[in-house]
Amino acid sequence: DSGVTQTPKHLITATGQRVTLRCSPRSGDLSVYWYQQSLDQGLQFLIQYYNGEERAKGNILERFSAQQFPDLHSELNLSSLELGDSALYFCASSVEWTTGELFFGEGSRLTVL
Amino acid sequence: DQQVKQNSPSLSVQEGRISILNCDYTNSMFDYFLWYKKYPAEGPTFLISISSIKDKNEDGRFTVFLNKSAKHLSLHIVPSQPGDSAVYFCAGRDSGGGADGLTFGKGTHLIIQP
Repeated sequence: DSGVTQTPKHLITATGQRVTLRCSPRSGDLSVYWYQQSLDQGLQFLIQYYNGEERAKGNILERFSAQQFPDLHSELNLSSLELGDSALYFCASSVEWTTGELFFGEGSRLTVL
Repeated sequence: DQQVKQNSPSLSVQEGRISILNCDYTNSMFDYFLWYKKYPAEGPTFLISISSIKDKNEDGRFTVFLNKSAKHLSLHIVPSQPGDSAVYFCAGRDSGGGADGLTFGKGTHLIIQP
């Protein structure tokens, strides 16, 4: 158990819809990262938040947005969903950069039909 | 542009032998390299890391080697055990922009055969 909690674990929705994925980081971790893993793809970095503020952006689509709340939990919002958005979405957290270890949640599997 | 490449999607090794997983990178600004291990239905878990100023780091059965001139790193597992069967991701960190996000390869599925 990494201490990072993601909900929901599975989500099935239709094209054009909007979903919200939720992440609670490990206690004390200030940084939250979102990654997408599509079929046959590695983990694609989407976005990072540190203590409530956006710190870095990766390959995140404009249809996607995220935020980190004062209690440090984070939400990833995916809108106007397309079939290609079907993927595993991982959240990870860390305290600060030392050896670079990130703690990952179990992921949210999104299926867009 | 794939900054981290794991060219072997899968690797099969006999139990007790050495497993060698390879990774190539293109970004010269990476200052840390990490290996993560992932079992089905679980998130990736950190395995071992190496700073770009070192060429070797060892932790029990796991050793990571870094060849900066070749932009290549490898993970050695000796001896391989059935519980090592998993997908292994290589990752690099470029902190040049102040961000901590890791760039991952696509992973290598290691299968340890009895």
